[in-house]
Amino acid sequence: DAGITQSPRHKVTETGTPVTLRCHQTENHRYMYWYRQDPGHGLRLIHYSYGVKDTDKGEVSDGYSVSRSKTEDFLLTLESATSSQTSVYFCALRVLVNTEAFFGQGTRLTVV
Amino acid sequence: TQLLEQSPQFLSIQEGENLTVYCNSSSVFSSLQWYRQEPGEGPVLLVTVVTGGEVKKLKRLTFQFGDARKDSSLHITAAQPGDTGLYLCAGVTGNQFYFGTGTSLTVIP
Repeated sequence: DAGITQSPRHKVTETGTPVTLRCHQTENHRYMYWYRQDPGHGLRLIHYSYGVKDTDKGEVSDGYSVSRSKTEDFLLTLESATSSQTSVYFCALRVLVNTEAFFGQGTRLTVV
Repeated sequence: TQLLEQSPQFLSIQEGENLTVYCNSSSVFSSLQWYRQEPGEGPVLLVTVVTGGEVKKLKRLTFQFGDARKDSSLHITAAQPGDTGLYLCAGVTGNQFYFGTGTSLTVIP
């Protein structure tokens, strides 16, 4: 268990409102990732981080921003939520020893 | 974008049958991983294959990495209801994981 938790687990929000999802780890892993999962698309990378204040965009980054002010926390923000951002969001970290991506339990976000 | 296509997308079989899931890409990866995901949970790593042509067995599951390190297959022998889930392949390059489109497997008792 790599000690990764996501919050909230479920959220319903209205179109146009800002939303922040939190990913917290307890084991000081350097690399962290945010993915969204939609039927037929598998997992698509939104943003990733390779250290405090070091982040980069993934393939579906439009409409999303991230911040990592501490090693243990990686935040994903939807600046102005849209219905197309209704999805299940997963945070993951890379366990360097065996190159494993270890995932949180996911956040189901519904934008109405 | 390094796209990995999985086939089939959905698979429903009877307990005891054999099946194969394919993961194909035009990109070369340093390693290829397979994950299994259950409803309401995050994916969990099953195996990592690193060498072109490598075959790994995990009880009734056999994983193979293509010679050119662009594709992989997962074969399950004598499927059981506990094998039900979403299977995802992932190509690893550097510090990036590129996930496939997923195969949803249902094993009927």
